[in-house]
Amino acid sequence: AQTVTQSQPEMSVQEAETVTLSCTYDTSESDYYLFWYKQPPSRQMILVIRQEAYKQQNATENRFSVNFQKAAKSFSLKISDSQLGDAAMYFCAYRSAYLDYGGSQGNLIFGKGTKLSVKP
Amino acid sequence: SQTIHQWPATLVQPVGSPLSLECTVEGTSNPNLYWYRQAAGRGLQLLFYSVGIGQISSEVPQNLSASRPQDRQFILSSKKLLLSDSGFYLCAWWTLANYGYTFGSGTRLTVV
Repeated sequence: AQTVTQSQPEMSVQEAETVTLSCTYDTSESDYYLFWYKQPPSRQMILVIRQEAYKQQNATENRFSVNFQKAAKSFSLKISDSQLGDAAMYFCAYRSAYLDYGGSQGNLIFGKGTKLSVKP
Repeated sequence: SQTIHQWPATLVQPVGSPLSLECTVEGTSNPNLYWYRQAAGRGLQLLFYSVGIGQISSEVPQNLSASRPQDRQFILSSKKLLLSDSGFYLCAWWTLANYGYTFGSGTRLTVV
């Protein structure tokens, strides 16, 4: 079974600085998707960034970028120029790329989250 | 546009009462639909998923059940709520074209 581990329960960053959140995962599959979700106090789950495992190039979305190391099974999130609105829980998640008909392998598996605080 | 609706937003129910949470999606067909629960300060736990009408798979034995009476409707139910059913419930859908999960706004359930 696949697992996702976020080893940093809490992180803090100064406004305008850069912070990196860590995520590691365990899988025997070769094709999968990885995600970072943001959950602000409203608890709405918001997709921050996604990475397809077959792509070697790291995904970027504005101030958010990932460092995807497939061999090491590592998927960290870098937030540049941190803003107060970035304060939230961040979840790393894994999903198999294989069709999930009749099985649970297509379900999204979450880490336990990292709470990010941004200091003004 | 593709959207997901979930209601109610907040619910306070006494122990032993029934439950019905509803989730509907728009702008897509035959989506894979999911119910997750999030306990306070913790990650998300998958409860049920559905790949089509009438097809429900349960991930965790519990006091809850799910149904999918229509292609874009997913319902979470309970006949008798327990205190341990309290939590934040999220509906989500996945399509390959979307390359990701889209979540509803969630329901905060408190069982008293």
